[in-house]
Amino acid sequence: KNEVEQSPQNLTAQEGEFITINCSYSVGISALHWLQQHPGGGIVSLFMLSSGKKKHGRLIATINIQEKHSSLHITASHPRDSAVYICAVDQGAQKLVFGQGTRLTINP
Amino acid sequence: DSGVTQTPKHLITATGQRVTLRCSPRSGDLSVYWYQQSLDQGLQFLIQYYNGEERAKGNILERFSAQQFPDLHSELNLSSLELGDSALYFCASSVSGTHNEQFFGPGTRLTVL
Repeated sequence: KNEVEQSPQNLTAQEGEFITINCSYSVGISALHWLQQHPGGGIVSLFMLSSGKKKHGRLIATINIQEKHSSLHITASHPRDSAVYICAVDQGAQKLVFGQGTRLTINP
Repeated sequence: DSGVTQTPKHLITATGQRVTLRCSPRSGDLSVYWYQQSLDQGLQFLIQYYNGEERAKGNILERFSAQQFPDLHSELNLSSLELGDSALYFCASSVSGTHNEQFFGPGTRLTVL
């Protein structure tokens, strides 16, 4: 079993829909990162969080340390949100362990 | 644009060869990280340097080595290349060595034939 599990692996939705991507982990962590990888391959850091909730524009990330679970939400989804979203946990000393990614496709 | 630069963008080489990948961190960032992304393994942490010193090591093969220079740029050296080393290699940087957001470079795509 992987230390970091994401669900779903693939998600297709219509423009405007509310999107949720989940990440569960089985190890102790000091922080959790959400990353976005564009079709061209580039990776952008979306959030780094160790507790509670963070919001940036239409993106919201939450984490529940007790349940070892994090969610990434996208409100009013748009085709430009189509990308692979990757959850990564920092087990300390900045050693990131990555989930397998969720491929999101938003159709117009 | 994250401010992290990587060269080259693409590299095609043969098995048994040696290559060097280069990374320049964002201005002011002291920490550099190297990651490998392959189709079968996904993203994996290789190694971290902080202000010239090795800080953390991940799944880095003995055939691979890295260093960070006084001007804070970093190089990843891959030797005795095998077909399975074909992957995207990303560099990232952060301000310090702990609990910081990481900024990723555009990656170097290595193809070993």
